[in-house]
This record gives sequence, C-alpha cells and structure tokens, in this order.
Amino acid sequence: AQSVTQLDSQVPVFEEAPVELRCNYSSSVSVYLFWYVQYPNQGLQLLLKYLSGSTLVKGINGFEAEFNKSQTSFHLRKPSVHISDTAEYFCAVSARRGSQGNLIFGKGTKLSVKP
Amino acid sequence: DAGVIQSPRHEVTEMGQEVTLRCKPISGHNSLFWYRQTMMRGLELLIYFNNNVPIDDSGMPEDRFSAKMPNASFSTLKIQPSEPRDSAVYFCASKASGGPTQYYEQYFGPGTRLTVT
Repeated sequence: AQSVTQLDSQVPVFEEAPVELRCNYSSSVSVYLFWYVQYPNQGLQLLLKYLSGSTLVKGINGFEAEFNKSQTSFHLRKPSVHISDTAEYFCAVSARRGSQGNLIFGKGTKLSVKP
Repeated sequence: DAGVIQSPRHEVTEMGQEVTLRCKPISGHNSLFWYRQTMMRGLELLIYFNNNVPIDDSGMPEDRFSAKMPNASFSTLKIQPSEPRDSAVYFCASKASGGPTQYYEQYFGPGTRLTVT
C-alpha cells in the first residue's frame, strides 16, 4: 500500500517569492509521482509527473519537482510565484504495477500568494 | 474534446432524498473514477470502473451509495437516502490506457457540490 504526506496544510507567501511545497510518500513498491493543482471551484489539473528518467521534472506554469528516492520525497518548487498561483496543490502516487493506475492523494497544501 | 462533464454542478437536497450525480468521461477513455472531497478527509476514491466494469468499490462509504456505468460514455453515482454527512464535492475522473505517458494521467471533471440539509 502507498501513502502520501503533505507536510504543510497552508503556505502563505508574497508575490515573486520562491516557494516549496513538501511531499513525502511511503510505498513498498516503485511508484509514479504526480502533482495536481486545484483552483477555486474547479477540478484537479495535472501540474507535472515523474514516471522515469531525470529526477527533476518540469511542469506547467513554471513549476518543477524533484524526485528523491532515498528521502522518498517529491517536493514542488517555483522560483517566483504569482497571485494566480493561489490554489490547492495535491501530491499523489501510483504503484508502477498492479494498481490499475489508481492514485493515492495527499491531504493537499493551500498556497496563498499575497501582493 | 470537452473534457470530463459532470452534472449537476450544484445540488441542494433535504435529508432522506435520493441524489443522482452524473458523469460523462472523455471519449476513448476506458477507466472512470469517482472521488469525494471534504475538508476533514481530503480526496477519497469511492469506486472505479475499467471498461464499464466496477473493479474496486471498497471506498464506497456504505450501502446508501451505489454507482453504475451502463456504457462507455456515462456513469452515475447515487445516494439513497442522503444524509447531511454526505455533503461534499464529488469528482469524476477518467483516463485512457495506452502508452506509459498516457496510462496514469487522470483527467478530472469540475465536480458536483452536494449539500444535504
């Protein structure tokens, strides 16, 4: 079984500041890793994913994440945030085999960007 | 493509009433997922279908909840009778199976916000 822990439920930052949203996972098997974003009153949208290869993954809207197998982490970063990045961000994992592609989500981190 | 379509977007009903939520997946996708999102429990998988067949319904909270997928382009989630604790946002998601970069990406609908009074 897999589990995901998002260490911060809320992250307030000022516009143009850098941000890191933390995600740690637990799994007895190899996993794929994802970050989804949910804007207010909308569904979830895929931000980026790690399937294989380079551990640094770039996504939409200037976000990137780094897979660290030894620390079982997949932290999301952006060097300079905008007001429009205000949203809730979800980290998710899926077992590479036998899961039918099911996603296990973390509880989410609400990013609030202030002017 | 219009994406995953859910209806209604908002539903307000009284305790004890039957509620039916609807989902149209993206054309060509053969897996469909129903999720529930609440402040307390976050995002929970309720049930998922593969090729219209329910594969895992272990997340369905109780017998009051049922889900069907009569064909590849339509699914329903029914709550009968509804209770105030069912108030949540219900999301439908679909995915394709194919190449590895497609297989695991789920596409979410906008959700149905259910309020049971």
